[in-house]
Amino acid sequence: AQTVTQSQPEMSVQEAETVTLSCTYDTSESDYYLFWYKQPPSRQMILVIRQEAYKQQNATENRFSVNFQKAAKSFSLKISDSQLGDAAMYFCAYRSNSGNTPLVFGKGTRLSVIA
Amino acid sequence: DAMVIQNPRYQVTQFGKPVTLSCSQTLNHNVMYWYQQKSSQAPKLLFHYYDKDFNNEADTPDNFQSRRPNTSFCFLDIRSPGLGDAAMYLCATSRDPGRDYNEQFFGPGTRLTVL
Repeated sequence: AQTVTQSQPEMSVQEAETVTLSCTYDTSESDYYLFWYKQPPSRQMILVIRQEAYKQQNATENRFSVNFQKAAKSFSLKISDSQLGDAAMYFCAYRSNSGNTPLVFGKGTRLSVIA
Repeated sequence: DAMVIQNPRYQVTQFGKPVTLSCSQTLNHNVMYWYQQKSSQAPKLLFHYYDKDFNNEADTPDNFQSRRPNTSFCFLDIRSPGLGDAAMYLCATSRDPGRDYNEQFFGPGTRLTVL
């Protein structure tokens, strides 16, 4: 079974600085997707960024980018120019591309942004 | 705007008193999911519907049931809530499990309190 590990329960960053959230996963599959979801204090989970395993190029969405290391099974999220609105729980998630498979979530990292 | 709606946002029930949570979607997605999320934990998938096909997770207690009368609506029934069932319940939808990322769109959640 696949597992997703987020080793940082809590992180903090100064406003306008850069922070990196770590995520590792374990799978024997080669075709899968990886996601970072953000859950602000209002609790609605939204997708931040996603990555296809067969793409070598790291995904980027504005201030959010990932460092995807397939061999190392690592998928870290970098937030540049951190803003107060980035404060949230961040969940790393994995989904196999073999049929109807659910998301596997990590335990989350709570990010605080300090003004 | 297309969205996932959950009602009510807050629900209080008594120990052992059946309760129903509802989810509706305007996205016309094939798949609807129910997650249980306890404080500071990752969402835990309870079950999902792919169209009318019901898929129960192996460790979901029998106390939890679901109904999907049509594409737009899905209900979570807790037959005899215990104190341990107090949690946030998240509904999510996705278009098609075999299609690309199969991004999940989450509702705001219903926070269930059991007295």
